[in-house]
This record gives sequence, structure tokens and C-alpha cells, in this order.
Amino acid sequence: NAGVMQNPRHLVRRRGQEARLRCSPMKGHSHVYWYRQLPEEGLKFMVYLQKENIIDESGMPKERFSAEFPKEGPSILRIQQVVRGDSAAYFCASSPERTKQFFGPGTRLTVL
Amino acid sequence: EDKVVQSPLSLVVHEGDTVTLNCSYEVTNFRSLLWYKQEKKAPTFLFMLTSSGIEKKSGRLSSILDKKELFSILNITATQTGDSAVYLCAVEAMGSNYQLIWGAGTKLIIKP
Repeated sequence: NAGVMQNPRHLVRRRGQEARLRCSPMKGHSHVYWYRQLPEEGLKFMVYLQKENIIDESGMPKERFSAEFPKEGPSILRIQQVVRGDSAAYFCASSPERTKQFFGPGTRLTVL
Repeated sequence: EDKVVQSPLSLVVHEGDTVTLNCSYEVTNFRSLLWYKQEKKAPTFLFMLTSSGIEKKSGRLSSILDKKELFSILNITATQTGDSAVYLCAVEAMGSNYQLIWGAGTKLIIKP
């Protein structure tokens, strides 16, 4: 059973471009969570999704950020018109139940 | 406001020493507390604690929860350089839409 997969592992964007981060949960997991981690800081919750539904997006900025978890395919975290402050590591986690989340390797986003 | 506080923020010890990492929390309707280890990649799950006073053990690592005093400790005995990592504590509250509230982590460095 492959672990949580994220791609790309590293993403470089210029200010104003769009960033798309992908997350494939572990097989059998229907819960997906996105986190952001700034340098020297802890994980910050962004959004929690189940298949085709956003359950909790209270940690996600209202503008420029969106997330989806379609019936088929990976979960996508989309950041439009990126700014330098968006530079961070973005982790996806999945779980078959409500806790004990398993993390992907993360996507390191650098905005130039 | 719900919060999780870890201490110390960083710790440097020598191989063979025993360390104790602390996690205190103020969370409405506590459900569970989780410990993760994060090296230069994604956090990996260590323990999930739901009941007071029951020690969870895995090799040289152990953890216990005190729901009366609202804290947990993570012990590592006979430390090795491979234990160097950031140790993260997270708490889930009931009715929180499964969102985990994360501490900032304790950065542990083991010197040979």
C-alpha cells in the first residue's frame, strides 16, 4: 500500500502565477487534509476534504486559495496569483477515519 | 481560543541521554492527542493518546497523557543521533470537524 503521494515535490513560481499542488491519499482513505508549514513554524491547518466535499476550510485564506477532492483523481490545492508570502512547505495528509493522519512528503513552493 | 504549547522549543543533548518533551493544551471538548516526528520531510505518526494514565510505548519512546492537568509528555531513553528531529504534538477536539490543533514543535538535536 503506497503512502500518501504529493507532486510536485518542489515548485518554483514567479509572483502572479498560479500554483497547483496535488495529493493522492493512501488507498482506502477518503479524508484529506492540507497543511502549510512556514520555516521554523508548526503545521497550520488549511482545509479538510472528503470525496467531492469541502468539510472545513476555516484555515484557508478566502482569496486566491481553493481546494478540491474530486470523485476521481487526486486532491488539488490551487493558489492563484502567488505572492512571496506563499512560499512554504505544503503537506497533505490522509486518514481512513477521523484521526491518525498519514502525511505525504510535502511540496515546497518557492515564489520568486 | 484552543491552543497547544510545546516545551522546550529546542533541546540539545548527548547520545545516550534521556529526554522528556512536554505538550500542554487548552482545548474545548478534548478527544485525542497525537505525537509526530518530523525530520527533513513529512511528519510520521508516533502515538495517539485518548485516556489518562495509560502509557504508550514503542521501543525507546513512550508517552503518557494527563487529562486532569491537560498535558502529555514524550520520553526518549538512550537517545541516538537518529532521534534528532522536530517532535510535534497535535490535539483533536470533538466536534471540530476533525481539525488537529498543532503545537509549534520541539527541535531535538542529539550530539554524538
